[in-house]
Amino acid sequence: DAGVIQSPRHEVTEMGQEVTLRCKPISGHDYLFWYRQTMMRGLELLIYFNNNVPIDDSGMPEDRFSAKMPNASFSTLKIQPSEPRDSAVYFCASSFRLAGGIGELFFGEGSRLTVL
Amino acid sequence: KQEVTQIPAALSVPEGENLVLNCSFTDSAIYNLQWFRQDPGKGLTSLLLIQSSQREQTSGRLNASLDKSSGRSTLYIAASQPGDSATYLCAVYQEGKLIFGQGTTLQVKP
Repeated sequence: DAGVIQSPRHEVTEMGQEVTLRCKPISGHDYLFWYRQTMMRGLELLIYFNNNVPIDDSGMPEDRFSAKMPNASFSTLKIQPSEPRDSAVYFCASSFRLAGGIGELFFGEGSRLTVL
Repeated sequence: KQEVTQIPAALSVPEGENLVLNCSFTDSAIYNLQWFRQDPGKGLTSLLLIQSSQREQTSGRLNASLDKSSGRSTLYIAASQPGDSATYLCAVYQEGKLIFGQGTTLQVKP
């Protein structure tokens, strides 16, 4: 398997524009996570899905952020409208179920977003 | 609320030295704990996963221990090499979420 695949790797946009980040999890994994990483706040969980269903979106900062998982092999994170404070590296990660929880988390390479 | 702390934030050692990275967490009701490595500009790579019922896990030169009652985990790296230079993060899995520490940035000098 090629691992977790994210696109784009880099995105530079202007304030107010819509941004869509994409993720393809590892085949067979039934958990998908979206994280945001900044120097100030470290890694923050935004939302996670189990079997394509959003389970916890309490980390989504505002209504400007939305995430979907239409099928087991694809997820999107959308920011509309984008703001400079959204600049960060966004990671997608996937995992599999273990009894009572999850196994190892596999991360993509991340999407570095810069909002001017 | 679970908080995960890693001390020190940065560490520099000469090649060949054995070293220990520390991770502490405030709520012992965790399902598992994972150690990750992150190279600059890259994603995180899972190194070791310790289930709450386990005391330690080993992979090559790496050994991770877990003491749930005291809320601590350590990552031991034997015979460090320049290629070990990276940021090491620990994360605890609890109630459906993986909560990360801020990481320890390790530099191993040749």
